[in-house]
Amino acid sequence: EAQVTQNPRYLITVTGKKLTVTCSQNMNHEYMSWYRQDPGLGLRQIYYSMNVEVTDKGDVPEGYKVSRKEKRNFPLILESPSPNQTSLYFCASSLSYTEQYFGPGTRLTVT
Amino acid sequence: QQQVKQSPQSLIVQKGGISIINCAYENTAFDYFPWYQQFPGKGPALLIAIRPDVSEKKEGRFTISFNKSAKQFSLHIMDSQPGDSATYFCAASLTGTASKLTFGTGTRLQVTL
Repeated sequence: EAQVTQNPRYLITVTGKKLTVTCSQNMNHEYMSWYRQDPGLGLRQIYYSMNVEVTDKGDVPEGYKVSRKEKRNFPLILESPSPNQTSLYFCASSLSYTEQYFGPGTRLTVT
Repeated sequence: QQQVKQSPQSLIVQKGGISIINCAYENTAFDYFPWYQQFPGKGPALLIAIRPDVSEKKEGRFTISFNKSAKQFSLHIMDSQPGDSATYFCAASLTGTASKLTFGTGTRLQVTL
């Protein structure tokens, strides 16, 4: 089954404790993105990647890091999480700039 | 800076009615306008999309109307059903900027019996 998977689905952590949210796709897509979804703000792009080792900032990259060492994986790293990073995070992948396939989401709470 | 403005924030429609969600964009270079549908607990999924060379696109009960001069586009859901209850996001992007979608703030649609 073609899909985008994210882990963990739910995470509660404390301020400053480094964490990684993994994202993997099995559709051989070149493009992958991370978004955060907040009430009243919609979906905002954090980072995106056009291929292995090629990444670029989205609209809200502060406080986040990404890496793309393999085509299928695109982890999101929060080096020192803060409460304002409490959000619902989505990974997405696509072949081009058309349809993006979204993962099921990761709900992160930073206390 | 909000490049894609979406309204209304929430919408309640009776079963069988027409649901209309509007979006306006600022960047005239945008040339791809998709609508995504999101059910609770799920990721968004592409519903329908349009390019600015056409003024309307219809897929089943879902229609996108596009007004290039006004920089506006809208989603019409005909014969709305309770199963259409979801959050809808409009978005826009530029050709050649893969994965660079700019989303609206979303509309929560509730279709009542």
